Amino acid sequence: AQTVTQSQPEMSVQEAETVTLSCTYDTSESDYYLFWYKQPPSRQMILVIRQEAYKQQNATENRFSVNFQKAAKSFSLKISDSQLGDAAMYFCAFYSGGGADGLTFGKGTHLIIQP
Amino acid sequence: NAGVTQTPKFQVLKTGQSMTLQCAQDMNHNSMYWYRQDPGMGLRLIYYSASEGTTDKGEVPNGYNVSRLNKREFSLRLESAAPSQTSVYFCASSDGRQKETQYFGPGTRLLVL
Repeated sequence: AQTVTQSQPEMSVQEAETVTLSCTYDTSESDYYLFWYKQPPSRQMILVIRQEAYKQQNATENRFSVNFQKAAKSFSLKISDSQLGDAAMYFCAFYSGGGADGLTFGKGTHLIIQP
Repeated sequence: NAGVTQTPKFQVLKTGQSMTLQCAQDMNHNSMYWYRQDPGMGLRLIYYSASEGTTDKGEVPNGYNVSRLNKREFSLRLESAAPSQTSVYFCASSDGRQKETQYFGPGTRLLVL
């Protein structure tokens, strides 16, 4: 079974600064996908960014980028120019398609943006 | 464009009562999922349906049943609710060709007293 670990229960950053959220995972699969989801107070799960394991290039979406280290099984999220609207819970998630056909989530990191 | 919808938004049950959580998607997706989210935890998979007419257990299926009524709708039933089932329940769907990218509904908050 896969596991996803987010070691930072809470992070705080000043508005306009850069913050990095950590995620590590454990799997024996070679082909898989990794995701970061944002969950604001509304509880809606919003897909932030998606990475395919066979692609060496790190995914980027505007101010959001990842550092994917396949050998180290590490998948961190960098948020540049942090904005007040970025305040939320962030969940790292894993999908391989083998076995149960769903996402495996970490416990989340609560991101606070200081004005 | 509604995406994934869930009803109800919030429900209070007494121990032993039954209820059905409804989920519908309008994206013509083949796969649908039910997750639960407990405080301080990520989402955990309860059941999923890879296509109309099929359902499979996820990580935490005990105490739940599901029905894939048609391609659009996937319901989750609690036959005899227990306080341990107090949680937020999320439905999600994905396209058959990109199963890994799942789109979530707004969630149903369930409180079992």
